[in-house]
Amino acid sequence: KQEVTQIPAALSVPEGENLVLNCSFTDSAIYNLQWFRQDPGKGLTSLLLIQSSQREQTSGRLNASLDKSSGRSTLYIAASQPGDSATYLCAVRLSGSARQLTFGSGTQLTVLP
Amino acid sequence: EAQVTQNPRYLITVTGKKLTVTCSQNMNHEYMSWYRQDPGLGLRQIYYSMNVEVTDKGDVPEGYKVSRKEKRNFPLILESPSPNQTSLYFCASSLMGGVRDGYTFGSGTRLTVV
Repeated sequence: KQEVTQIPAALSVPEGENLVLNCSFTDSAIYNLQWFRQDPGKGLTSLLLIQSSQREQTSGRLNASLDKSSGRSTLYIAASQPGDSATYLCAVRLSGSARQLTFGSGTQLTVLP
Repeated sequence: EAQVTQNPRYLITVTGKKLTVTCSQNMNHEYMSWYRQDPGLGLRQIYYSMNVEVTDKGDVPEGYKVSRKEKRNFPLILESPSPNQTSLYFCASSLMGGVRDGYTFGSGTRLTVV
């Protein structure tokens, strides 16, 4: 059974710092990995989607990498801002399964002004 | 605007009173799914549908029903809600079941059963 782990569970950084969020998964047979952002009590906003054949994807200050063979992904946030404060979730789409996404438990990020 | 729309956003109901949470997408996506999110348990899949008239159970289907009569709509039905179904619910859709595309999520429905 696919298991997805996110470390750390919570992270607090001062504004302007660069930071890295980690996601690991146990089964490397995946189609892709997707990073989401969730604000308290709100929906999930898709940030980046990395296909299994890709090594990284970039959007603005965000960069996500994928190492499928080692079962790891990182989300790099450059020059963090208080508006980046949210919970970040990673989810993997297991290949050969119709059961869809398996989510990590998330990293709660707080960026202090 | 391409989106997944859930209604209502907030709902308080009493035990045993049937309710329906609606989900609609305007992207012509074939795949739709329902999740619930609970503290400490994360997001868990309830039901999914790969196309019209095709539905299947996810990880936590007990106490829920779904239907997929049209491509754009995927309602979640609680025939006899119980307090343990108090949760934050999300509907999601994707064009190809997430194989080449990602998922779009609705804004969520916060359900409280008293």
